[in-house]
Order: sequence, then C-alpha cells, then structure tokens
Amino acid sequence: QSVLTQPPSVSAAPGQKVTISCSGSSSNIGGNYVSWYQQFPGTAPKVLIYDNNKRPSGIPDRFSGSKSGTSATLDITGLQTGDEADYYCGTWDSSLTAVLFGGGTKLTVL
Amino acid sequence: QVQLQESGPGLVKPSETLSLTCTVSGGSMSYHYWSWIRQPPGKGLEWIGYFYDSGSTNYNPSLKSRVTISGDTSKNQFSLKLNSVTAADTAVYYCAREWFGYSGSGSYYDRFDPWGQGILVTVSS
Repeated sequence: QSVLTQPPSVSAAPGQKVTISCSGSSSNIGGNYVSWYQQFPGTAPKVLIYDNNKRPSGIPDRFSGSKSGTSATLDITGLQTGDEADYYCGTWDSSLTAVLFGGGTKLTVL
Repeated sequence: QVQLQESGPGLVKPSETLSLTCTVSGGSMSYHYWSWIRQPPGKGLEWIGYFYDSGSTNYNPSLKSRVTISGDTSKNQFSLKLNSVTAADTAVYYCAREWFGYSGSGSYYDRFDPWGQGILVTVSS
C-alpha cells in the first residue's frame, strides 16, 4: 500500500472534466513539490506536471495541477479518449529521504 | 535531446544478482541525478534510488540493503545491481534523469524526465 493515496480509478465522458487526488502527509506532499505522470499501457511514464502546477513544454493546458496542505490534485478538462491512461503522483519524503509515488489512478473516458 | 536506454538480462535466477545498465545519449551526465525506478506487472511505480555525478547515491530504504547504483560518466552510463533477488523483484525497470533539489522556499522539488523505454526483468529458475 502506497504512502501517497490515489483513487484506483476515475471516469468521465468526453469533453468533461475529471479530478484525480493524491493524499499524503506533512513530510511529503505537505512540505515538498508534487509531480504528476501519465502512463499508457506498455510505455514509460511521462511527466505532465511538476513543481505542483508547472507544465513541461508540449503538455496541453487542459492538464493542470494544484496543492493544498497535504493533498494534491490533477485536473484534466476537455477530456479526450486519448487521455485514457494511468496517472501517478510523486513527491519527495523528507523523513524517509526517498521518492514516493502514489498507487496510480486509471482514467476511463466513457 | 537526452535519451536513455536500458540493457541487461531479461531473466535472473532467484538468489542471484540483477544487473542493468542505462546508456545516456544526447547529453552529458554531469551535474544531474540519474535514477532507477521499477514497476511490477500490473502494479505501481517504485523508486529504487539515484546516482549523482559526484559519485553520491541515495536508495529507497526498503531496498537499501540489496541495491548498488553506480555510474561511469566517461562512458555516459550508469548501472543498477540488486542482489539476492526473489520473484517479488520481477518488474519493468526504468532508468530516468531525476531533477532533484532544495528550493529557496524550503521545499524539495523532484521529477523524472526523460525516461528510458524500460526493460522487463523476470526472476525465475
């Protein structure tokens, strides 16, 4: 069981908005920056969001991130069928001195 | 544009040592952190540890007793050794460049970009 908690799955219709949550503690999310990764089956993860809310070049602004206290969220608006993937949050844990990942959330676009 | 490629045996016997190499192309290894991450089939991501070009390392506490990550910046390669493997170590192993540091605001930042394509390592007799 991951220290960072994500819902196992979320779903929404094309064009709609979905929010994926990532819950942690003061030693990880509460004190450090959060990143989000998108992973399609059989491929390596790709960073979507870093430093809580920054997008690498090439990532559409339909993807946004935020953090409040010990939780972080990834919002995806204007959902497309091509967004169906697994999404992971990640952050540094200052107590463990290690990187933590959430358990992952499978997004289904109905 | 930096690219990473994992290489090594796809099958390792129980109790033996898993050895993988990551070759970095398109850029220098200097002044960067280089990491290994694994993903058991159908499961989530697990950070294994990093190597910094000065030779410093940091490992996941859950694997620390069995892991060694080292690098040869002159060859643009870094390696992972995991000893005493069991079936639980069966996973896709990824190498990645880790962007890690302490910000002026008192928080650590961390992300992995780019990633290698991954290599499946199966532990079985």
